Amino acid sequence: AQSVSQHNHHVILSEAASLELGCNYSYGGTVNLFWYVQYPGQHLQLLLKYFSGDPLVKGIKGFEAEFIKSKFSFNLRKPSVQWSDTAEYFCAVKDTDKLIFGTGTRLQVFP
Amino acid sequence: DAEITQSPRHKITETGRQVTLACHQTWNHNNMFWYRQDLGHGLRLIHYSYGVQDTNKGEVSDGYSVSRSNTEDLPLTLESAASSQTSVYFCASSSGPDTQYFGPGTRLTVL
Repeated sequence: AQSVSQHNHHVILSEAASLELGCNYSYGGTVNLFWYVQYPGQHLQLLLKYFSGDPLVKGIKGFEAEFIKSKFSFNLRKPSVQWSDTAEYFCAVKDTDKLIFGTGTRLQVFP
Repeated sequence: DAEITQSPRHKITETGRQVTLACHQTWNHNNMFWYRQDLGHGLRLIHYSYGVQDTNKGEVSDGYSVSRSNTEDLPLTLESAASSQTSVYFCASSSGPDTQYFGPGTRLTVL
């Protein structure tokens, strides 16, 4: 079965800093990959997803992720974070119709 | 607008009691899922359903049950609540391999 690793458990940044959150999945073949965000006290929302095609995926709020098949990675990036990006970020891979989530990365952005 | 709702939003119960958490979606999605979210574990799949009368065990199904009598609802039952089941529970739904949409969550405390 698929599994997902998020190596950054807690990231602290100042506003305007660049962000990259790591995500690795366990094995290849056709993969569907997702990044979800959970703002404090809220439910999970989809940031972006990759099913096929261009490996550089643009999402909402200026986020993007790059699918690198050779590295089994799907890292999330944002060139300049804002205080409002403070949240928990989850990478997920689809396994049949189920989602397998990573343990999450807590991002804190200070003004 | 279509939505997914959960009730109650907060619940405190005692060890050994039976508890049922409700999940209702108006997306008309076939697939529904229950996750629990715990610090350090991310989201873990409890049970899922691909349609009416279909239920399947997820990664952490012990002590939980679900039933699917219609498309809209997938109630989660804790047969005999334990302190280890104190958690935040999220319901989600999807149509086939596409994005899962999450409910607002239920915070359950078992004393």
